[in-house]
Parts: sequence; structure tokens; C-alpha cells
Amino acid sequence: QVQLQQWGAGLLKPSETLSLTCAVYGGSFSDYCWSWIRQPPGKGLEWIGEIHHRRGTKYNPSLKSRVTISEDTSKNQFSLKLTSVTAADTAVYYCARHMDRKWSFDYWGQGSLVSVSS
Amino acid sequence: QSALTQPASVSGSPGQSITISCTGTSSDVGAYSSLSWYQQHPGKAPKLIIYDITNRPSGVSNRFSGSKSGNTASLTISGLQAEDEADYYCKSYTTSGTYVFGTGTEVSVL
Repeated sequence: QVQLQQWGAGLLKPSETLSLTCAVYGGSFSDYCWSWIRQPPGKGLEWIGEIHHRRGTKYNPSLKSRVTISEDTSKNQFSLKLTSVTAADTAVYYCARHMDRKWSFDYWGQGSLVSVSS
Repeated sequence: QSALTQPASVSGSPGQSITISCTGTSSDVGAYSSLSWYQQHPGKAPKLIIYDITNRPSGVSNRFSGSKSGNTASLTISGLQAEDEADYYCKSYTTSGTYVFGTGTEVSVL
């Protein structure tokens, strides 16, 4: 059974860097693509970006200048960094696994609420 | 990339069928067979219920079905049940190699 467990700082000040990590338990890590998605309070879902061990990273153009997604295959973990945060970055952030050879996300983390406030 | 367009809310009585639309463009919904649907209950992570337009993951009720015509996809929930009350999001791969979600639809069971 695949499980994704995520963690990171929940309260940030404007201009700080958001940092979250997602650990993958069960299944292969390097054979799959992994994404970060966020959801502002009361609003819809927004794809942030993805990472694949062999294919590299892709980012949402609207966030590309501030986002870095990296991986640590020795720990079966991948991470999200978002720089220069503002109140608009306040959201629940999810990590997710891409379904094998599909474009769908079949396993999700529990979500992490990140609030940005001065 | 603009979010795919979904109705804000859809409602139905128990046992009825409802359909949620998801409209995009020829650069996303119309371009690939990558359309998927997610169900999200309050305070929970989204759950995949339809992938590749019409396919259900193992364990998902066959009351959920999907279709697509041109730039518009649809999710139908038949035999509506109280547990179906949730938010539903469509998602598509795009010709830019990115993903775009729909605006979301709140389903109410009357």
C-alpha cells in the first residue's frame, strides 16, 4: 500500500521561503512522477509542478520563477520550495503520485496548511 | 493557463442522476485522452474517481462515469447517494506539458 506523508513549516512571514517535504512509503519511487498541488482556503486546486527521476522537473508557468522541486531518492522523498511568499500563497499544499504511465494522480498526501501572515 | 470551466454547483435528489460539465480548449481537454475527475470531501485530500476520460480506479463505484466530446468532458453520477455530496474537480494535461484543474463543482444531495 502506497502512503505519502508530508510535513513542513505551517506559518511564514511575507518574503520568506516555503519548504515542504513528502515521504513515499511502499512502491517504487524512481519509476513514478510526483507532483505538488495547492488549494487556497475555499478555492480550487492548482498544480504547482512535478518531478521524475529520469525526466526532471516541470513547473506551472505562473509559479516557475519562484518554485523548485527536488528529490532525495535515497530517502524516497521529494520536496517543494517556494520563495518570496505572500498572503496569496496561503493554501493547503498536497503532494501526489502520478498513476503509472497515466496523467492522473492516484495517491495523495494528507495536505499541509501553510499560512503567510505578517 | 486558465482553469477549466465547471458549474459552481449541481444538486439532485437521492437516486437521481446528475452530470457535471468541464469545458476547456483544444490545448487541453480537446487535445488528449488525459481527462480525470477527483472527488473531495471537506477537509480531505482529493480522491481520483475517473482517469483517461472513462476509466474508474479499482474500488470506485460504477455509479461514476465519464465522457468527452470535443473540448468538453462530463462526469455523471447515477443513483445519487448522500455520500456523493462533495466537491468535484476535473483535470487535464495540456499541450504545454502542464496540468490544469477545473474550477470545481459543489454537489448537493437534496
